[in-house]
Amino acid sequence: DQQVKQNSPSLSVQEGRISILNCDYTNSMFDYFLWYKKYPAEGPTFLISISSIKDKNEDGRFTVFLNKSAKHLSLHIVPSQPGDSAVYFCAAREASDNYGQNFVFGPGTRLSVLP
Amino acid sequence: KAGVTQTPRYLIKTRGQQVTLSCSPISGHRSVSWYQQTPGQGLQFLFEYFSETQRNKGNFPGRFSGRQFSNSRSEMNVSTLELGDSALYLCASSLSRGRRETQYFGPGTRLLVL
Repeated sequence: DQQVKQNSPSLSVQEGRISILNCDYTNSMFDYFLWYKKYPAEGPTFLISISSIKDKNEDGRFTVFLNKSAKHLSLHIVPSQPGDSAVYFCAAREASDNYGQNFVFGPGTRLSVLP
Repeated sequence: KAGVTQTPRYLIKTRGQQVTLSCSPISGHRSVSWYQQTPGQGLQFLFEYFSETQRNKGNFPGRFSGRQFSNSRSEMNVSTLELGDSALYLCASSLSRGRRETQYFGPGTRLLVL
């Protein structure tokens, strides 16, 4: 059973508009969330993260929102640019006593930004 | 600073063979994690090594193993390859000094099992 879900396999938006990518999780022990972007033939690149003690984190054109009660987070990209076209992965980590780097990833959403 | 490097980038093997993949983390990073990516499955966590010790392990059979050397370089081994092992294998490194850390990924090794 997938603990991190990205229910939209793909998303198309017009250049300059807002892109909203969604992610849902089932494990209430997750306390740290990240978004990664992946181009073909490259490894995932870190975009932005959020801790469960916050509900919003912003970095330039990228904003992540966390709704803990709904176990939902979203990534907003404003304005969207053609170079943002990639697969976006949501990832989460469970709170624990150790510093283990065990992240659970969603299946990804392919974003296409149309010029 | 050089990024995470993985070798080889592409590999073709046949069923029953074994394979070893290599990962060199970012200088100073002590944690190395391995992931398997298959179409529609996202990234599945294999294991994590820290200071030459396996610290976390995902839900994969014992055919998948790894190790880490004193210079933090890591290798992953898959024995008795199966067709379903065809995937992109990604390595990620981090400093692992705190809990709010980021993993940095290499470009991956694409393995095809025939």
